[in-house]
Amino acid sequence: ETGVTQTPRHLVMGMTNKKSLKCEQHLGHNAMYWYKQSAKKPLELMFVYNFKEQTENNSVPSRFSPECPNSSHLFLHLHTLQPEDSALYLCASSHGGGANTGELFFGEGSRLTVL
Amino acid sequence: AQSVTQLDSQVPVFEEAPVELRCNYSSSVSVYLFWYVQYPNQGLQLLLKYLSGSTLVKGINGFEAEFNKSQTSFHLRKPSVHISDTAEYFCAVWGSSASKIIFGSGTRLSIRP
Repeated sequence: ETGVTQTPRHLVMGMTNKKSLKCEQHLGHNAMYWYKQSAKKPLELMFVYNFKEQTENNSVPSRFSPECPNSSHLFLHLHTLQPEDSALYLCASSHGGGANTGELFFGEGSRLTVL
Repeated sequence: AQSVTQLDSQVPVFEEAPVELRCNYSSSVSVYLFWYVQYPNQGLQLLLKYLSGSTLVKGINGFEAEFNKSQTSFHLRKPSVHISDTAEYFCAVWGSSASKIIFGSGTRLSIRP
């Protein structure tokens, strides 16, 4: 398997549920990202990890909790979400540190619906 | 700081017609520039990139873009579009001093038969 894989592709959850999104990359990259894509809004960067360390948290509410156990895996833990959190969540990876040229490799996204 | 402006949120064109999607950026440092494409129900994929060298960059699916430093633009062009080019297109900039890529708000290209 190659590239960036996200699971699940679709998720429906109630406001009191706890769920997780998973991202895995097989590209040997050292940086991973979570983006939120809502209808009619620009792409929003949520979190960045470089060499497993969180280097950016773009003022994301605490109901979203990222986890990066190693350079190949990234999770987004979700709890007590709101209906406005319904969106497409995109994971991406890139070279890390000084090798980063800004080129991102995206997964196909996880479509989240919060009821 | 860097910023990216995509001047058109939607561009409708007829099949086999040429198309240009406009992108302007601002930056006080040298930049790398990208165009990404997002087909319906998919993630973004790289269409082409400018890192250095020739200002005319060719990408996948017959698209090309020209880096114009004096006009701070990186417009995307295709001489003849196909129905399969229906997608959203994102311009992006990465500055040498930045730690993250900045995306434009996207241009939705719709192709009419």
